[in-house]
Amino acid sequence: AQKITQTQPGMFVQEKEAVTLDCTYDTSDQSYGLFWYKQPSSGEMIFLIYQGSYDEQNATEGRYSLNFQKARKSANLVISASQLGDSAMYFCAMRENYNQGGKLIFGQGTELSVKP
Amino acid sequence: GAVVSQHPSRVICKSGTSVKIECRSLDFQATTMFWYRQFPKQSLMLMATSNEGSKATYEQGVEKDKFLINHASLTLSTLTVTSAHPEDSSFYICSARGGGVDTEAFFGQGTRLTVV
Repeated sequence: AQKITQTQPGMFVQEKEAVTLDCTYDTSDQSYGLFWYKQPSSGEMIFLIYQGSYDEQNATEGRYSLNFQKARKSANLVISASQLGDSAMYFCAMRENYNQGGKLIFGQGTELSVKP
Repeated sequence: GAVVSQHPSRVICKSGTSVKIECRSLDFQATTMFWYRQFPKQSLMLMATSNEGSKATYEQGVEKDKFLINHASLTLSTLTVTSAHPEDSSFYICSARGGGVDTEAFFGQGTRLTVV
């Protein structure tokens, strides 16, 4: 069964507008972490934001915020004030701290294109 | 964040030869390293997890005799693609983690392998 699901293969957003990238997950672990990474065409994985399963506040990092809805098992990424440089692939990932040995499992990815 | 260096960034090899990819943690001791494979426009698929000084744990469907992983020291892990074939052409990326399962993992820059 797919543990991390990103249902948007591609998204377009106008420069300076906000965009939400969807991510849902499935786990029976009580302790887990959710991550978002950006992958530009160069291939490097750029860490954006992290949310722990026990964190009550939604994580924020600059223009990035994570809309964590634990009961719905969703961890959507919100990018505010989009910039042209935000165009890239975005991956949601989950780490189950006690099952699976702490490895990161990735979703299918969403390709974001920011239009001028 | 911590630095993980992966080398080479690009390699072209002839079909039937072997190629070695190195992953080094430059400023921390990596007790665990992960190797991923990524096809164009697709997600990162975990190939194996290696812990320093012990045999790697391979994901289902990954041929351990074809993809040899060595994690002989706390700062270096290598992935050797043996008897490479054109279908092994892909983007390979490592990540390294020090400490327990809930600590952050850092990614290398990735290696683009082309088998001709």
